[in-house]
Amino acid sequence: QKEVEQNSGPLSVPEGAIASLNCTYSDRGSQSFFWYRQYSGKSPELIMFIYSNGDKEDGRFTAQLNKASQYVSLLIRDSQPSDSATYLCAVNPSGTYKYIFGTGTRLKVLA
Amino acid sequence: GAVVSQHPSWVICKSGTSVKIECRSLDFQATTMFWYRQFPKQSLMLMATSNEGSKATYEQGVEKDKFLINHASLTLSTLTVTSAHPEDSSFYICSAREDLPGYTFGSGTRLTVV
Repeated sequence: QKEVEQNSGPLSVPEGAIASLNCTYSDRGSQSFFWYRQYSGKSPELIMFIYSNGDKEDGRFTAQLNKASQYVSLLIRDSQPSDSATYLCAVNPSGTYKYIFGTGTRLKVLA
Repeated sequence: GAVVSQHPSWVICKSGTSVKIECRSLDFQATTMFWYRQFPKQSLMLMATSNEGSKATYEQGVEKDKFLINHASLTLSTLTVTSAHPEDSSFYICSAREDLPGYTFGSGTRLTVV
C-alpha cells in the first residue's frame, strides 16, 4: 500500500510566524509532489509542486523535498489568518498518473 | 489557468434515488478526469479514473454498478450515484489536468441522502 502520512494537527502559529508542514511517503520511486490548500467545505487548490531535491520558493511558500529521506515539507512565511486551512500533501507514485493524498494538516494562524 | 466546473454544488436526495454529478473542463480538453470522495475530516479518496471514450477504471472497493461514470466528450464526465443510501452522503470532487503540473479540482458536490 503506497501511503502518504501527515500530522493531522491542528498546528497553531501566531500571525507573522513561519508555519512548517511535513509529509512523508512510502513509495521511494515517487517523482512528483504537490501541496494543496483546502478551506473548510471547499475543494483543494494547488499551491506548490516540486520534482527535484532541494527547495522551491514561490512568494511566501517554500516547498522542500528530500527523496533520500522520503519527506516533503511546506514552509509558509509571514503566516496570515487567511492561511488557516487544511494542507494536503499529494504524491504521484512511480508508474501511475494517480495522486495519493495524505490526510492533511489543519493549520490555524492566530491573529 | 485551467478551470473545472462541477454541478450541482450540493444536493439532497431521498434514499433509493439516483443522483448525477457533472464535471466539465471549461477551457481545455481532458481525456482523463478523476473522481474523489471525501468524508468529514478525512482525506480525498480516489474512486475512479474517467477515460474519454472508454470505460472508467475503478479503485479497489468501489462498486462500479453503484457509481456509474460516463466520459462521453473531452470536456464532460458524469458520476451517477445509483440507489443512494445515507452512507453515500459525502463530498464528491472531480479533477482534471491541463498542461501545467498538478490537477485542478472542481468545486465539489455535497451529497446528502435522507
